[in-house]
Amino acid sequence: QQPVQSPQAVILREGEDAVINCSSSKALYSVHWYRQKHGEAPVFLMILLKGGEQKGHEKISASFNEKKQQSSLYLTASQLSYSGTYFCGTEHSGNTPLVFGKGTRLSVIA
Amino acid sequence: NAGVMQNPRHLVRRRGQEARLRCSPMKGHSHVYWYRQLPEEGLKFMVYLQKENIIDESGMPKERFSAEFPKEGPSILRIQQVVRGDSAAYFCASSPDRTSYEQYFGPGTRLTVT
Repeated sequence: QQPVQSPQAVILREGEDAVINCSSSKALYSVHWYRQKHGEAPVFLMILLKGGEQKGHEKISASFNEKKQQSSLYLTASQLSYSGTYFCGTEHSGNTPLVFGKGTRLSVIA
Repeated sequence: NAGVMQNPRHLVRRRGQEARLRCSPMKGHSHVYWYRQLPEEGLKFMVYLQKENIIDESGMPKERFSAEFPKEGPSILRIQQVVRGDSAAYFCASSPDRTSYEQYFGPGTRLTVT
């Protein structure tokens, strides 16, 4: 089942923060986050495996709440280069294909 | 270190023709996935292959679509007798192991059916 992403779209000014959520109605084994710029290939950001861990770099990080069956992507002090569509892909067991959400379109303006 | 290669990047076919999309995975990757993306939509899984084997084709339409990943050469996604509804961007991705490893995407093939 397709995960639900929210918000669908968000506009930020440079330096502002954003949170993108990804929720599933089924238990999750892993969550994958990708960013895609218009007309380009999706680019891998990070994977979170069940266990409630938080991962990421200084300004882009993510958490995985296994109990709530959801993941959140945190973008801190956004830059123009963060603009794009963010997709979460969920996996319900170790041998099932990724199911992607419809995406969250993020626009960062100066 | 070359990334995932796809060709052609753009393909125009008339209704009823065949479309062949090619994907060469990253060096050292033996797992290939094909996805279809419609405008303003997410990526829809189609098929997962390892060398010479189809592992999961649960996302493939039952008719007109087929995929292979031979021992030598690229993975091929074949669409026979294309219809307008097949117009989309088709992405392939590769990984060194099953889906719990990151997938690296190619630039995609944009198929237009006229």
